[in-house]
Amino acid sequence: DTGVSQDPRHKITKRGQNVTFRCDPISEHNRLYWYRQTLGQGPEFLTYFQNEAQLEKSRLLSDRFSAERPKGSFSTLEIQRTEQGDSAMYLCASQRLATNNEQFFGPGTRLTVL
Amino acid sequence: GQQVMQIPQYQHVQEGEDFTTYCNSSTTLSNIQWYKQRPGGHPVFLIQLVKSGEVKKQKRLTFQFGEAKKNSSLHITATQTTDVGTYFCAGWETSYDKVIFGPGTSLSVIP
Repeated sequence: DTGVSQDPRHKITKRGQNVTFRCDPISEHNRLYWYRQTLGQGPEFLTYFQNEAQLEKSRLLSDRFSAERPKGSFSTLEIQRTEQGDSAMYLCASQRLATNNEQFFGPGTRLTVL
Repeated sequence: GQQVMQIPQYQHVQEGEDFTTYCNSSTTLSNIQWYKQRPGGHPVFLIQLVKSGEVKKQKRLTFQFGEAKKNSSLHITATQTTDVGTYFCAGWETSYDKVIFGPGTSLSVIP
């Protein structure tokens, strides 16, 4: 257990539905990252926050994806009008900017879009 | 855009044999990190390399960062079954304030 929690752990939804995932980072960590990982691939960067500010968003991310971190603590990732291609593991990682920049990953939310 | 590649994609070794995975970036990196992901698990940080030509060791693991800061390697001596998993390199590029993960090398160790 890294101290980063994600909820839910699994989500099955029908195509076209909206889904929202939550990530609770380690409390003193000011950076929070969202990644998507499919089988046999490395984590693909989606977006990240420093405190409550969203500093970077992948150009691969469509307008259907939005993320928030309103108080600089937990974060939510919403996918609107889900598509089958959105099926993946969504990973959250938190980081306290320091000498080694270690990212602590949560267990992930596995999304299946039927 | 920045690309990070790893070879090989898969490696099967007998327990006790050595293992090496190589990571190459299309651009110069400010630093590189290595992560290990066990089957069904999430990535776990192993190490960060920052300096050109840097070499770091963790027990049976040796990490190197190339002189040009565009490539890196992870070498495991005398593999054990506990080494099974996928090893990812993750490169931070100076001009992009985010990390790009490689596709990983999946290691299987045959007892």
